Amino acid sequence: DVKVTQSSRYLVKRTGEKVFLECVQDMDHENMFWYRQDPGLGLRLIYFSYDVKMKEKGDIPEGYSVSREKKERFSLILESASTNQTSMYLCASSLSSRGSQDEQFFGPGTRLTVL
Amino acid sequence: GIQVEQSPPDLILQEGANSTLRCNFSDSVNNLQWFHQNPWGQLINLFYIPSGTKQNGRLSATTVATERYSLLYISSSQTTDSGVYFCAVGAGGADGLTFGKGTHLIIQP
Repeated sequence: DVKVTQSSRYLVKRTGEKVFLECVQDMDHENMFWYRQDPGLGLRLIYFSYDVKMKEKGDIPEGYSVSREKKERFSLILESASTNQTSMYLCASSLSSRGSQDEQFFGPGTRLTVL
Repeated sequence: GIQVEQSPPDLILQEGANSTLRCNFSDSVNNLQWFHQNPWGQLINLFYIPSGTKQNGRLSATTVATERYSLLYISSSQTTDSGVYFCAVGAGGADGLTFGKGTHLIIQP
């Protein structure tokens, strides 16, 4: 079974703090993704990566950066957390992207509250 | 970008009933997935179905790619089927998924 894990289920941070959300997958997947989920807005793509050290902006990258130094790990960074970044953050991975898209598998999510 | 519409937005049924959830999308896709989000927020993969028909126990799904819609069928509903069901599509290579707003299903005992 594919397993995608996220470092925290719940996180509370202060405005202005630098926040790291970690995601690890154990199936040697090439692609990794970060989404956020908000009531009324649904799930939206923040960033994705199709290879080590490669990254692409999604639909809402402002205020975020990412890091992928190893194939299995994809980090989402909030450089200076703000209250409008309070959200549920979901990480996903998929095997590859050659031709059509492969199935994405999601982690359990991190509920981040910024005070 | 691609638009994804799910219907109905809310559905309340009695245990044992059957249901059909619909997903319409606005452009050609090469990925379509159905998910069930549990009360803790985890997205559970139900089907990867860019085209054709699949079945898994009481659940089945059909995607008619040429007409840009997909259907999720739930038969003999159980209370544990309650939750939000999402349809999500992808059109590119490594691009992410575009999600619909979901169908909130409540199964009453």
